[in-house]
Amino acid sequence: DTGVSQDPRHKITKRGQNVTFRCDPISEHNRLYWYRQTLGQGPEFLTYFQNEAQLEKSRLLSDRFSAERPKGSFSTLEIQRTEQGDSAMYLCASSPTNRENYGYTFGSGTRLTVV
Amino acid sequence: AQSVTQLDSQVPVFEEAPVELRCNYSSSVSVYLFWYVQYPNQGLQLLLKYLSGSTLVKGINGFEAEFNKSQTSFHLRKPSVHISDTAEYFCAVSRGGSQGNLIFGKGTKLSVKP
Repeated sequence: DTGVSQDPRHKITKRGQNVTFRCDPISEHNRLYWYRQTLGQGPEFLTYFQNEAQLEKSRLLSDRFSAERPKGSFSTLEIQRTEQGDSAMYLCASSPTNRENYGYTFGSGTRLTVV
Repeated sequence: AQSVTQLDSQVPVFEEAPVELRCNYSSSVSVYLFWYVQYPNQGLQLLLKYLSGSTLVKGINGFEAEFNKSQTSFHLRKPSVHISDTAEYFCAVSRGGSQGNLIFGKGTKLSVKP
C-alpha cells in the first residue's frame, strides 16, 4: 500500500473559479477525513466519511464546499467560487475503525493559492 | 467537546539536548491522544498515540509521551534531539472509543541548533 495520495500537490487559481481535489485513502481504511490547515495553525476538521456516507460536517464547511466519496473509496473536495480566504493546505486522512489500529494516516496535502 | 492547548509555540534547543513539548487537553469524556510531526510542505506523520493501558507511550524516532489524567496532559519528550528533529509538532485529541474526529492544537515549532 502506498499510503494516502492527494492530487494535485499544488493548485493556483483565480478568485471565483471552481477547484476540485482528489484523495485516495489506504484501501483497508473505511474512514476518510478532510482537514484544512492555514499558516501557523493546526489542521481544522472539515468533514468525514465512513464508507460512502458523509457523517459529519464542520461549520467551517460553507455552502461553497462539497465533498463526495461515491463508492466508499476515493473522495473529492470541491470549492466553488473560490475566495482568497480559501488559500490553505487541504489535508486528507484515512483511518480504520478497529481500536487496535486506530489512528489517522495523512496524505501530503494539496496547497491551494487563490489569487 | 474536546480541546487541546500546546503551551509553547516555539522551542529552540541545541543538538543532543533533551526536549519536552507540552500539551494539555480538556474533555469531559475518555479520550485518545496523539502526537504528529509535520516537516515543511508535507502532511502529518504519526509519532505516537495513547488509546489505553500504560500511561508511558513510546513512538518513532526516539520520542515518548506520558498520559497524565489528573493533570490532563500528554507531554512529548526526547532525551537527545538531532538536527533532523527540526519540524512542527502537533498534539491531538479525539473522543475515546474510535468516535469523533481529531482536534488539533496549534502546534509547536521545534528548532534544533548545532
